[in-house]
Amino acid sequence: QVQLVESGGGLVKPGGSLRLSCSVSRFIFSDYYMAWIRQAPGKGLEWVSMISSSGDTLYYTDSVRGRFTISRDNMEKSMSLQMNSLRAEDTALYYCARGNGFGGNEYFDYWGQGIQVTVSS
Amino acid sequence: IVLTQSPATLSLSPGERATLSCRASQSVGSFLAWYQQKPGQVPRLLIYHASTRATGIPDRFSGSGSGTDFTLTITSLEPEDSAVYYCQERSKRLFGGGSKVEIK
Repeated sequence: QVQLVESGGGLVKPGGSLRLSCSVSRFIFSDYYMAWIRQAPGKGLEWVSMISSSGDTLYYTDSVRGRFTISRDNMEKSMSLQMNSLRAEDTALYYCARGNGFGGNEYFDYWGQGIQVTVSS
Repeated sequence: IVLTQSPATLSLSPGERATLSCRASQSVGSFLAWYQQKPGQVPRLLIYHASTRATGIPDRFSGSGSGTDFTLTITSLEPEDSAVYYCQERSKRLFGGGSKVEIK
């Protein structure tokens, strides 16, 4: 069974930084686009960032571009999200998800359990 | 692209049919997916390419539509279908705001 496990969340002050990681198993990681999707408390789903299978194409939603950086290590079968200049509105449950589509046009067929990020003073 | 889902909440009895709508502000072709999120759980892919059921999804879930208007139909509701349902288009990875299905 495909597994995705997030780590690295926590409580951080506004303006601070946090690095999320996603470790995967039981599929060929290097074949798939990977994404971060978040869900603020009591709210809907919001796609945040995505990285191509090779790691050479990066995608960001407008609200995080310039503050967040997505990366991946295909040898280690892991993906990361470096989050800088965090704001209260970044508070959410962050999911790691596997893309299933073509050339950046992706659906998300497997999701991790999510990791909480709370930005508060 | 903006995805607008309706109704916001639907309250039905077991055995009834649920019809959920997702309207796109511009054509997305057939490139639309539906997800189910039960309370406290991870979202699950139900339908992709507007009408193709994902692996393991019961056939009481069906999707239809193309262009700007899409429908998720749940025939013969079961208590475990109580959830929020989201649509998603794949070119910009955008999600709709969700529709909550409550089982009476």
